[in-house]
Amino acid sequence: GDSVTQMEGPVTLSEEAFLTINCTYTATGYPSLFWYVQYPGEGLQLLLKATKADDKGSNKGFEATYRKETTSFHLEKGSVQVSDSAVYFCALNPGNNRKLIWGLGTSLAVNP
Amino acid sequence: GAGVSQSPSNKVTEKGKDVELRCDPISGHTALYWYRQSLGQGLEFLIYFQGNSAPDKSGLPSDRFSAERTGGSVSTLTIQRTQQEDSAVYLCASSLLGQGLTDTQYFGPGTRLTVL
Repeated sequence: GDSVTQMEGPVTLSEEAFLTINCTYTATGYPSLFWYVQYPGEGLQLLLKATKADDKGSNKGFEATYRKETTSFHLEKGSVQVSDSAVYFCALNPGNNRKLIWGLGTSLAVNP
Repeated sequence: GAGVSQSPSNKVTEKGKDVELRCDPISGHTALYWYRQSLGQGLEFLIYFQGNSAPDKSGLPSDRFSAERTGGSVSTLTIQRTQQEDSAVYLCASSLLGQGLTDTQYFGPGTRLTVL
């Protein structure tokens, strides 16, 4: 069945460091891919998405490129801030189903 | 515009009691979803509504769990005879269409349920 695997956390970085959170997926069709973020004490927010191969989603300095050949959707940011401390979830929409398939989340802590 | 809202934000109950959790989706969104997020776990799908009908109830963990949606809008998730393992954050999401690759789910803040 369809699945999402993302790197385990917690990830701890210093401010202005480069961030990569790996996400790979298994899907029988051509899914859409999403990154959601959950800031402390808040609900899930859509961070970015990509709906077809080679699309790049971007928002708030974060980017992720839909790589069909490697079935990946890695999240990157060139220079993290303390305010980026949150839990990041990778998810896929298979298209022929209704529910999102989720990774387990990666906790990021950015220290000043 | 207003996002997805959920109430209550926190609920503490005793084992064996029934609880009702409410979700108000974004106006005009036809699809509504319930998920559960337990400590240290990912998101667990519970049920999906398209309009007032529920084509996918596959995630409901037992017959103590039920949900309904009325008027194509508000949804209520009911847990009967609560157990301690029901303690979790219950998340509601809505989306415009409920189908297609570009459909995006928008989440409410969640209800934190604690069963003592």
